[in-house]
Amino acid sequence: QVHLVESGGGLVKPGGSLRLSCAASGFTFSDYYMTWIRQAPGKGLEWVSYISGGGYYTEYADSVRGRFTISRDNAKNSLYLQMDSLRAEDTAVYYCARKNAPHKDWGQGTLVTVSS
Amino acid sequence: EIVLTQSPGTLSLSPGERATLSCRASQSVSSNYLAWYQQKPGQAPRLLIYGASNRATGIPDRFSGSGSGTDFTLTISRLEPEDFAVYFCHQYGSSLPYTFGQGTKLEIK
Repeated sequence: QVHLVESGGGLVKPGGSLRLSCAASGFTFSDYYMTWIRQAPGKGLEWVSYISGGGYYTEYADSVRGRFTISRDNAKNSLYLQMDSLRAEDTAVYYCARKNAPHKDWGQGTLVTVSS
Repeated sequence: EIVLTQSPGTLSLSPGERATLSCRASQSVSSNYLAWYQQKPGQAPRLLIYGASNRATGIPDRFSGSGSGTDFTLTISRLEPEDFAVYFCHQYGSSLPYTFGQGTKLEIK
């Protein structure tokens, strides 16, 4: 059974940094693209980034390109999102999801709040 | 960027009724790579439909998807109490960014 668990969220000041993690189990992690999707409070869903199974190919939404970095450690079955230069508009629940799309498997999400 | 516009914003129906939710794309969605998700408060989205019309594993057959090109529909044939939630469409065609509709809230009348 696929299991995805995000961690690393919290309160950070504008301009600050945060690193999210997603621990995966129940499938061969290195075989799958992985994706980060976020949802601002009371709002819709926004695709943030994805990474190929080997970690060599990445894509980003324009809103985060140059500030966020997606990576993975297949030996640890873990996905990461390094978030720098955070802005108030980055406040959201961040979900990791299996595959580049569509997404049958999601984590429970981790809340990132950017506020002074 | 492909913009997905969902209508209506809110749909008020009673259990047992039929629900029809619309998702219109600003340009054609390649290969009909259009999915529908259901989301309940405090939960992650749940995949219902992919490829415009294919039910995901474990999804009841009262949920069906249809459409192609720029116009897509999610139909729930007979609403159960657990179906009242927010529904999002999602295009994952050849052009990035993948995008989501703004959602339709299905509420009990």
